[in-house]
Amino acid sequence: NAGVMQNPRHLVRRRGQEARLRCSPMKGHSHVYWYRQLPEEGLKFMVYLQKENIIDESGMPKERFSAEFPKEGPSILRIQQVVRGDSAAYFCASSLDGGNTEAFFGQGTRLTVV
Amino acid sequence: GENVEQHPSTLSVQEGDSAVIKCTYSDSASNYFPWYKQELGKRPQLIIDIRSNVGEKKDQRIAVTLNKTAKHFSLHITETQPEDSAVYFCAASIIQGGKLIFGQGTELSVKP
Repeated sequence: NAGVMQNPRHLVRRRGQEARLRCSPMKGHSHVYWYRQLPEEGLKFMVYLQKENIIDESGMPKERFSAEFPKEGPSILRIQQVVRGDSAAYFCASSLDGGNTEAFFGQGTRLTVV
Repeated sequence: GENVEQHPSTLSVQEGDSAVIKCTYSDSASNYFPWYKQELGKRPQLIIDIRSNVGEKKDQRIAVTLNKTAKHFSLHITETQPEDSAVYFCAASIIQGGKLIFGQGTELSVKP
């Protein structure tokens, strides 16, 4: 059973471009969480999704950021018109049911905006 | 809003000494408190966790204590080894598989 898979591992974008980060949860997991880790800081919650539903997006910036978790395929975190301040590591975690089961983290995508 | 404060931000100990990291949380609805170890460039790895109905939990050299009344919890590492050097994060959540609110992290350095 493969763990949580994120790709790409490293992503370089120029200011103004779009960044798409993908997260494939563990097999059977239907709950996905995205976190952002700025350099030398802790992880900040961004969004919580179940299949086809956004449950909690209280940590998402109001503009340029969006997330989805379609019925088929990986969860996508999309950042439009990236700026230097978006440079960070983006981690996703998945859990079986959002209840009393462990959430497992992926290896992260390191986004660098140049 | 929900907040977790973690101290100290850096901690340096000699090999064999103990290390203690402390966290306080604000949301009284929190019931699950995991600790993660993150090595440079790697994913956070769960090392120990505790639920609100338990005051202390131990796993070999690692222990966690929880004071729910005071809303604080601590990580204790005994007989530290150089491979314990990493950044440690505490977190709080309402349930185990739910949204995590993380502390700011403690960079632990164990000197041989």
